[in-house]
Amino acid sequence: DQQVKQNSPSLSVQEGRISILNCDYTNSMFDYFLWYKKYPAEGPTFLISISSIKDKNEDGRFTVFLNKSAKHLSLHIVPSQPGDSAVYFCAASASNTGNQFYFGTGTSLTVIP
Amino acid sequence: DGGITQSPKYLFRKEGQNVTLSCEQNLNHDAMYWYRQDPGQGLRLIYYSQIVNDFQKGDIAEGYSVSREKKESFPLTVTSAQKNPTAFYLCASSIPPNTRSTEAFFGQGTRLTVV
Repeated sequence: DQQVKQNSPSLSVQEGRISILNCDYTNSMFDYFLWYKKYPAEGPTFLISISSIKDKNEDGRFTVFLNKSAKHLSLHIVPSQPGDSAVYFCAASASNTGNQFYFGTGTSLTVIP
Repeated sequence: DGGITQSPKYLFRKEGQNVTLSCEQNLNHDAMYWYRQDPGQGLRLIYYSQIVNDFQKGDIAEGYSVSREKKESFPLTVTSAQKNPTAFYLCASSIPPNTRSTEAFFGQGTRLTVV
């Protein structure tokens, strides 16, 4: 059963506009959430994370929002750049269950110049 | 430079043969993981190890085996019992469990093709 879900397989955005990638989870024990960026035939690279004690974390053009009551998080990229085109995975872990990382199925973002 | 290294990047094997994928890290991480990625699917956990000489099955462990004799190394063997071995395999490591604010660092992956 998929505990972390990304319901949009793909997203296209114009350069300079905002990209919003969404992620939902089912396990209320998750207390740490991460976003990874992945290019084809490469390993994912860490982008940004958020602890469950926060509802927002910002790092440059990237902001992650967490809504614990809705079990939903989102990644905002603004302004979007062509180099942001990649597959984005959200992931979650629970510190009291061995810290396994559970990944979503990914959203392929295309930023159109 | 610290990092996590997978080798080889591409691997071809004949059906019915066992094959071992290498994963080495010099980040001094206790925890290591193996994931598999298939087209249109997310990263699925095969095995993970929180400490040397200990490992646990993930969601799709059937047909795979691992060992963790050294902190730095976590090799994955794809056995002939794995029905669909052709995939992109990713190794990762992280700082010790039960530590907040931990992230996983990934290697560059190994593309295994079984013919």
